[in-house]
Amino acid sequence: NAGVTQTPKFQVLKTGQSMTLQCAQDMNHEYMSWYRQDPGMGLRLIHYSVGAGITDQGEVPNGYNVSRSTTEDFPLRLLSAAPSQTSVYFCASSYSLTSGGNEQFFGPGTRLTVL
Amino acid sequence: AQSVTQLGSHVSVSEGALVLLRCNYSSSVPPYLFWYVQYPNQGLQLLLKYTTGATLVKGINGFEAEFKKSETSFHLTKPSAHMSDAAEYFCAVSEDTGFQKLVFGTGTRLLVSP
Repeated sequence: NAGVTQTPKFQVLKTGQSMTLQCAQDMNHEYMSWYRQDPGMGLRLIHYSVGAGITDQGEVPNGYNVSRSTTEDFPLRLLSAAPSQTSVYFCASSYSLTSGGNEQFFGPGTRLTVL
Repeated sequence: AQSVTQLGSHVSVSEGALVLLRCNYSSSVPPYLFWYVQYPNQGLQLLLKYTTGATLVKGINGFEAEFKKSETSFHLTKPSAHMSDAAEYFCAVSEDTGFQKLVFGTGTRLLVSP
């Protein structure tokens, strides 16, 4: 199993550009999520999905869109990039919501810089 | 809503010394508690977790943590630090009520000197 994969690893954008961060998992996990990591702030939840076709907002959703057309893929779209979106983005997945304390598996991250 | 406080953004120890990373949580219902480790330029990896049962939890790489309900704490320890333990450590909490969103602390960077 490849686990959780993310592309690209690095990206530089100009203010106002749009782009999609890709995330895929091959573990047949129901739950997928996107976090951003900023210095001194830990990881904050952007959006999450509890299954194909079902998404919801997390703590910091503004400026981002998601969709979940398949179990495997959960792309994150930046609609109009802003310098405040400079961050490291992590995708994570876990098997189920119904069993307590399920481990979330994280991808290697995408480091995004918005100029 | 649940929250996590990690005391100390940086902790420095000598190789062979005790490692103690502090985590306090706030939760309105019995929590699930996690410690994750992040090595440089990598994603997060689960060290250990507490769900129910035994309050002393053992994880990978010789780490362990004890859930203390009365103190709302879940401190991470390792008896003897190794250079390879240098990383950032995150405590996280979730609640067994519907969607189990993970809430992370701000992280503690562990520095290990020879």
